[in-house]
Amino acid sequence: QLVLTQSPSASASLGASVKLTCTLSSGHSSYAIAWHQQQPEKGPRYLMKLNSDGSHSKGDGIPDRFSGSSSGAERYLTISSLQSEDEADYYCQTWGTGEVFGGGTKLTVL
Amino acid sequence: QVQLVESGGGVVQPGGSLRLSCAASGFTFSAYGMHWVRQAPGKGLEWVAFIWYDGSNKYYADSVKGRFTISRDNSKNTLYLQMNSLRAEDTAVFYCAKAPYGIIDYWGQGSLVTVSS
Repeated sequence: QLVLTQSPSASASLGASVKLTCTLSSGHSSYAIAWHQQQPEKGPRYLMKLNSDGSHSKGDGIPDRFSGSSSGAERYLTISSLQSEDEADYYCQTWGTGEVFGGGTKLTVL
Repeated sequence: QVQLVESGGGVVQPGGSLRLSCAASGFTFSAYGMHWVRQAPGKGLEWVAFIWYDGSNKYYADSVKGRFTISRDNSKNTLYLQMNSLRAEDTAVFYCAKAPYGIIDYWGQGSLVTVSS
């Protein structure tokens, strides 16, 4: 059964970098995922699609500060030069037999 | 540019029905699978249903199976979600999303459904 695991929370300082992780369950390490951002009181926004080889394609207008990478069953979202507006919930998403969304990571910018 | 505009939300009594619509523009609607996703107040994103580009296959979350029906009219570039036997726990903002091969790359702005007596 496909399961996406995310840490519930993360924090980093203004101007620093942070790396968020989405872990695919055993047997699903080849799956592509998408990262989505949801700022407070707003709808979700597509950030990027991330493939198992680390290649990724970003959505319209997504800054270069957002990048993705992969290692085995782990899918990463790195945000550099953190800004206050990056404080948001971040969800990974895929499609297969099982879960579609991870539980989300709430990012706090200190 | 891609636009997805949901409509049809509102307040409905428990046991009632509602049909959501999602008007799509800016892309070839008939070429892409589409999701419905919901978010209850203060909760995370919950997948509801997915339909193939041609409507030939449909998939549902266990929580809505047998009560909700996803459909599409490619001639009208519109996605639908028929919701029957609504419960208080169905209260949420409902989003439609464009999803090539199931991976979402665009979201609508959402439509609020409130189930309350």
